[in-house]
Amino acid sequence: EAQVTQNPRYLITVTGKKLTVTCSQNMNHEYMSWYRQDPGLGLRQIYYSMNVEVTDKGDVPEGYKVSRKEKRNFPLILESPSPNQTSLYFCASSIDRASSTDEQFFGPGTRLTVL
Amino acid sequence: AQSVTQLGSHVSVSEGALVLLRCNYSSSVPPYLFWYVQYPNQGLQLLLKYTTGATLVKGINGFEAEFKKSETSFHLTKPSAHMSDAAEYFCAVSGQGGGNKLVFGAGTILRVKS
Repeated sequence: EAQVTQNPRYLITVTGKKLTVTCSQNMNHEYMSWYRQDPGLGLRQIYYSMNVEVTDKGDVPEGYKVSRKEKRNFPLILESPSPNQTSLYFCASSIDRASSTDEQFFGPGTRLTVL
Repeated sequence: AQSVTQLGSHVSVSEGALVLLRCNYSSSVPPYLFWYVQYPNQGLQLLLKYTTGATLVKGINGFEAEFKKSETSFHLTKPSAHMSDAAEYFCAVSGQGGGNKLVFGAGTILRVKS
């Protein structure tokens, strides 16, 4: 089944404890992206990747890191989480890195709470 | 810069009634417009999209939307609401920025009353 998977789905952690949220897609998509969803704000892009070893900042990149060593994986890293990073996180992918018309396929989300 | 405004954070309709969710956009380039739906505890899935051509776009589950350039709008409609339509709906625009960046509205939660 074609899908985007994220792990973990739920995570409660404490301020300053490094964590990684994994994202994997099995559709051979070039483009991958991370968003955070907050009430009343919709989804905002954190980072995106147009291909292996190519990543760039989105609208809200502060406090986050990403890597794209393989085409299928795009982990989101929080080196020192803070309470303002408590949010619902979505990974997404699409076929073509250059097309603005392609559908993006979303993972099921990771609900992160930072105490 | 692009932006999206969704009027009404919550909309409530009776089962069988018309569903109308409003979306207005701002874009300095020809926009590509999307509606996504998010069911509880799930990721987003595409309902429909407008890229070029016919301005009335039909999507899944009986939804449709009309692109009106003069009004900078892309409202989502469904003639008859079903209980299973209860979800959060997001309007989004692309066409600028890095890669396939989507700019989302704040979302509208649709409640369907029996």
